[in-house]
Amino acid sequence: RKEVEQDPGPFNVPEGATVAFNCTYSNSASQSFFWYRQDCRKEPKLLMSVYSSGNEDGRFTAQLNRASQYISLLIRDSKLSDSATYLCAVYSGAGSYQLTFGKGTKLSVIP
Amino acid sequence: GAGVSQSPSNKVTEKGKDVELRCDPISGHTALYWYRQSLGQGLEFLIYFQGNSAPDKSGLPSDRFSAERTGGSVSTLTIQRTQQEDSAVYLCASSLGQGERNGYTFGSGTRLTVV
Repeated sequence: RKEVEQDPGPFNVPEGATVAFNCTYSNSASQSFFWYRQDCRKEPKLLMSVYSSGNEDGRFTAQLNRASQYISLLIRDSKLSDSATYLCAVYSGAGSYQLTFGKGTKLSVIP
Repeated sequence: GAGVSQSPSNKVTEKGKDVELRCDPISGHTALYWYRQSLGQGLEFLIYFQGNSAPDKSGLPSDRFSAERTGGSVSTLTIQRTQQEDSAVYLCASSLGQGERNGYTFGSGTRLTVV
């Protein structure tokens, strides 16, 4: 099982739709979780951290399910500008010093 | 600086030549990371610096790859005797601590093409 897995998509959704992505991780001791957004030929940019209690930032909601070892990202009222690849990242700690990234889920929001 | 700065932004080199990629992290960020991203692939960890030390070099793919960091700031990634499979975008990131609280900030990358 890969350390961090995502459905590569693409997810093609109409403007205004709600879309959700999941990301599973294999290390149950993982400590921190993040969602990044990456536009074509650009660097990843931090979208939001994921907290145990779940957190919301405008149209974006992130949740963590430790029992099932996955994190999720929900985007409400999708905009054309949301079209990008969404990467999840996991910090395992315990001697592993880096964030491990999933390969990303591609989202296309269609007019 | 305000962000992570990488240079050059693009590099085309002939197979067998050496290349140096530079990263200037956000001022005050003690942790610095190198990743690479090949076309259609995920982010592959290469090396992590805390200050000038590299506690984790486990991602360097071969002994042709090396990196150093000086003054707790600028880092250089060197690839010797480049091969075509080294073609990728090399991304540098920095963070406070180990990034476990706030994640990383990435530079815009160096796109390396080996011909």
